[in-house]
Amino acid sequence: KAGVTQTPRYLIKTRGQQVTLSCSPISGHRSVSWYQQTPGQGLQFLFEYFSETQRNKGNFPGRFSGRQFSNSRSEMNVSTLELGDSALYLCASSLVSGALAYEQYFGPGTRLTVT
Amino acid sequence: AQSVTQLGSHVSVSEGALVLLRCNYSSSVPPYLFWYVQYPNQGLQLLLKYTSAATLVKGINGFEAEFKKSETSFHLTKPSAHMSDAAEYFCAVSDLRGNEKLTFGTGTRLTIIP
Repeated sequence: KAGVTQTPRYLIKTRGQQVTLSCSPISGHRSVSWYQQTPGQGLQFLFEYFSETQRNKGNFPGRFSGRQFSNSRSEMNVSTLELGDSALYLCASSLVSGALAYEQYFGPGTRLTVT
Repeated sequence: AQSVTQLGSHVSVSEGALVLLRCNYSSSVPPYLFWYVQYPNQGLQLLLKYTSAATLVKGINGFEAEFKKSETSFHLTKPSAHMSDAAEYFCAVSDLRGNEKLTFGTGTRLTIIP
């Protein structure tokens, strides 16, 4: 079974631009979560989607948004990029949403560099 | 709100020696606890998880962790370190309310000395 895939793996953008990152969960998984990883702040939860609905959201500004499609694939978008948005963005999928079925599988991440 | 604290951002052990990575948690409700490993340029891989069943949890690659409520700890151990264990390790906590959000510790980078 294929793992979680994220595209692109590396991205370089300029301040003020916007970016869209994509995540394809493991086949059959319906929950997708996004995390930002930086050396200074560590791993921080961005949001979680289940059945095309955002279930949870972390403490990030509105410039960070996401969505999920009917096939469970998810995208996250960052508008008006800032230098501080440079990070590794990790996507994780799980079978269903909720603690009882809790086992998240992570993708390799997208490394975003903002110049 | 739940949180985890990992003591020691860097740990070095000799090959064949005991690995001990420390994690203490804070949670207002009984927690779910996890250990993840991250190799360079890769995502996170689940090593093991505690979900209120057995307090001693065995994971992959010979790792195990013990949940100690009285000490609010969930330390990760491996009896004999291998060179391939060199990586960054993250402790994480969730809660039982069906919340998919994981709160991670700051990570411990494990170096294995030949």
